[in-house]
Amino acid sequence: AQKITQTQPGMFVQEKEAVTLDCTYDTSDQSYGLFWYKQPSSGEMIFLIYQGSYDEQNATEGRYSLNFQKARKSANLVISASQLGDSAMYFCAMRERRNQGGKLIFGQGTELSVKP
Amino acid sequence: DSGVTQTPKHLITATGQRVTLRCSPRSGDLSVYWYQQSLDQGLQFLIQYYNGEERAKGNILERFSAQQFPDLHSELNLSSLELGDSALYFCASSVGNGGLTDTQYFGPGTRLTVL
Repeated sequence: AQKITQTQPGMFVQEKEAVTLDCTYDTSDQSYGLFWYKQPSSGEMIFLIYQGSYDEQNATEGRYSLNFQKARKSANLVISASQLGDSAMYFCAMRERRNQGGKLIFGQGTELSVKP
Repeated sequence: DSGVTQTPKHLITATGQRVTLRCSPRSGDLSVYWYQQSLDQGLQFLIQYYNGEERAKGNILERFSAQQFPDLHSELNLSSLELGDSALYFCASSVGNGGLTDTQYFGPGTRLTVL
């Protein structure tokens, strides 16, 4: 079974509008962390935002926020006021406490295209 | 720029050969991680080193090996290369030993092409 599911292979958004990228996860661990990374066409992976399973508030980092719904096991990334430079692949990832070390489990990614 | 450096940026080699990928972590980071990104498998965790010791192992083939040196740089050795080993290999680093809040910062990757 997939541990991280990103159901939107590709999405389009108009510049300056907000967009939500979906991520659902599957774990029986009570303690876990959720991460979002951005991969532009140049290839590097850029850390965007982190949410811990025990965090009561949704994480925010500038124009990025994470809509964390623990009961539904979802951790959707919201990008406000999209910019052309936001066009990239976006990956959701999870780390489970029961795994020794920092192994990240990644979803398949969502390709976001921002239209002018 | 994450502060993680990887060399070389591109590598083209033939089946059966052996290559070494190199990674320097961010200043102050003690953990180094290796990931493989391919079209069919996506992003897969290979191995983690923390302060010179192996900390966690993922889906790393027996033909692959890694180590972390006293200056904390790491090398990933890939031997008896096959066409299916063609992928983007990322190194990441973090301050700690991989706790839940220990954010990993990725290098630019090494694109390996096996012909």
